[in-house]
Order: sequence, then structure tokens, then C-alpha cells
Amino acid sequence: GAGVSQSPRYKVAKRGQDVALRCDPISGHVSLFWYQQALGQGPEFLTYFQNEAQLDKSGLPSDRFFAERPEGSVSTLKIQRTQQEDSAVYLCASSNGLNNGYTFGSGTRLTVV
Amino acid sequence: SQQGEEDPQALSIQEGENATMNCSYKTSINNLQWYRQNSGRGLVHLILIRSNEREKHSGRLRVTLDTSKKSSSLLITASRAADTASYFCATGDSGGANNLFFGTGTRLTVIP
Repeated sequence: GAGVSQSPRYKVAKRGQDVALRCDPISGHVSLFWYQQALGQGPEFLTYFQNEAQLDKSGLPSDRFFAERPEGSVSTLKIQRTQQEDSAVYLCASSNGLNNGYTFGSGTRLTVV
Repeated sequence: SQQGEEDPQALSIQEGENATMNCSYKTSINNLQWYRQNSGRGLVHLILIRSNEREKHSGRLRVTLDTSKKSSSLLITASRAADTASYFCATGDSGGANNLFFGTGTRLTVIP
């Protein structure tokens, strides 16, 4: 596609509910990244894929967070047993090289109530 | 934790003036990038400067990089109301990892 597509755009979850956030990167982009952005802050790195391989998941805040990219294109970020502190905008980005900029999606705003 | 810090945290200028934002970072880098984010939207890539470059231009944007001081600046000339946004610097570390680390951002307001 022309850009990075994320869905849903907004998600309201009750505390304890599981959620799944989807990212459709630019076709052919090898690298895919997930970031978490709290209100008024910069994006914080969560995890990174190169094709289907998850090369870095050091930013995932707890074992309730899980990401996958099984066929090296679409990625899903899953959060189990959501907590209020998980409320944030989750941004996905893709890139086609080490010295190229990222293309970001519009993000999914997750609100846990 | 975030790698860099932008300065100032907020900047308000009149349309037509120049805006300068600074970024400091902590570790050795492969490149440094600047992004813009409009309220409620994703980030848009503006410009990338490699660690062996000192200055780069793109339209009304001018970026400098001083690796000895671990700092960068973004200059927007002849600002427009549409430039109102948050601006973030992001660094790619020299260790080969492909992920970027973002700063805390500068909120720029351009008054028409």
C-alpha cells in the first residue's frame, strides 16, 4: 500500500480485557517497529522485526505484551489482561534500510477503563 | 528510556520567523533523524543526517550535527502556521541495531 496502515484507530478496553492491534506496513519493507507513546511524550521503542524474525523485544514492558509477524508483512501487537497504565497511542513504523527514515502509521489510541 | 532530549520543550514564534530546536543524545550514533508529529497523528520523517555529515538541507529545513558534542539542531526558516507541530529527534545507534530512539520533543507553535 501507499503507507503504513493501523487498525483500529481507537480502542476502548475494559481492564483485564485482551486486545489485538494490527499493522499493515509498506509492501516490501523488511523492517517493522512498534512504539508506545504516552501523552506528551516521545515514542518509546517496544519491538522490532526483520521480515518474520523478531530481533529485539527489549522494549516490551511486561510478558502481557506479545507481537508477531508470521509471514513477514502484517504484524499484530497483542496485550493481554490490559491495565490502565497500558493506555497510550501504539505506533507502527516500517523501513527498508538502516539509513532510511521510518514511515509511521497513524497509530491506535488505546484507552483502558 | 528515551535517548535524546530536545530543547526547548516548547517554542512559540510569529509566522515568518525562524525556529531553532536542539537535540542532545547520549551514545554513539549511526545517524540522526528529525520527525514532525501533528496532534493526534503519526510521525512524519523530515530529514536524516549520517554521523559523518555535519549539515544537511531540505527545503526550508536545515539540520546540523556535532558528534563531538552529541548534539543536533533543526532550523525551520520562514515559518508558517502549518509548521505548528511537535518535533522529535531520533537516533540510530552505531551498534548495528535498526531501531530508533526518540527524544521528548519540542512543541512548536507558529502564530499567524
